Amino acid sequence: GAGVSQSPSNKVTEKGKDVELRCDPISGHTALYWYRQSLGQGLEFLIYFQGNSAPDKSGLPSDRFSAERTGGSVSTLTIQRTQQEDSAVYLCASNSPGGRNTGELFFGEGSRLTVL
Amino acid sequence: GDSVTQMEGPVTLSEEAFLTINCTYTATGYPSLFWYVQYPGEGLQLLLKATKADDKGSNKGFEATYRKETTSFHLEKGSVQVSDSAVYFCALSDQNTDKLIFGTGTRLQVFP
Repeated sequence: GAGVSQSPSNKVTEKGKDVELRCDPISGHTALYWYRQSLGQGLEFLIYFQGNSAPDKSGLPSDRFSAERTGGSVSTLTIQRTQQEDSAVYLCASNSPGGRNTGELFFGEGSRLTVL
Repeated sequence: GDSVTQMEGPVTLSEEAFLTINCTYTATGYPSLFWYVQYPGEGLQLLLKATKADDKGSNKGFEATYRKETTSFHLEKGSVQVSDSAVYFCALSDQNTDKLIFGTGTRLQVFP
């Protein structure tokens, strides 16, 4: 596709349920990032992929959070046993067309997660 | 670790007023610096960037100069428009991992 695509755009779930958020980056972009945007908190880095590897997963808040990327393309962020504090907008971004880091991240419109 | 601090909002201005949004950073080495903008209902997009000291990034009438001596990258525009109403994020790149570290964002509201 032309841009970074994320799904679902909105997700409401009950506390304790698992959720999966999907990101489809721009074709050819080798780097993929997940951020979390909470009200008044700015953008919090979660994890970064280069190809299918994650050299930096330092931002994952707890072991309930995990992410994978397959085929150097689509990524899934999974949150297990969701808590109310997980409510936020989860943003995906991609970079590095053909492996060349341009310094510019291209963001999707985000997945808004609400945990009741 | 590396960090970015930007002024809290909201910043409320009348159309054609002068805009400054302050941003300072803490980093080891020499990061690249960025301003991203998030218009209502849209995803974040790059507004401008500067990759080394004294560089000036500019776009859509906005400017920011990379000041190493004051570790700052303040965003300025001489005459704002209602369409500039958005949230503005200052960011730096981590040279080791290529990830961006963002500030908390500053909401700008411009009234006619």
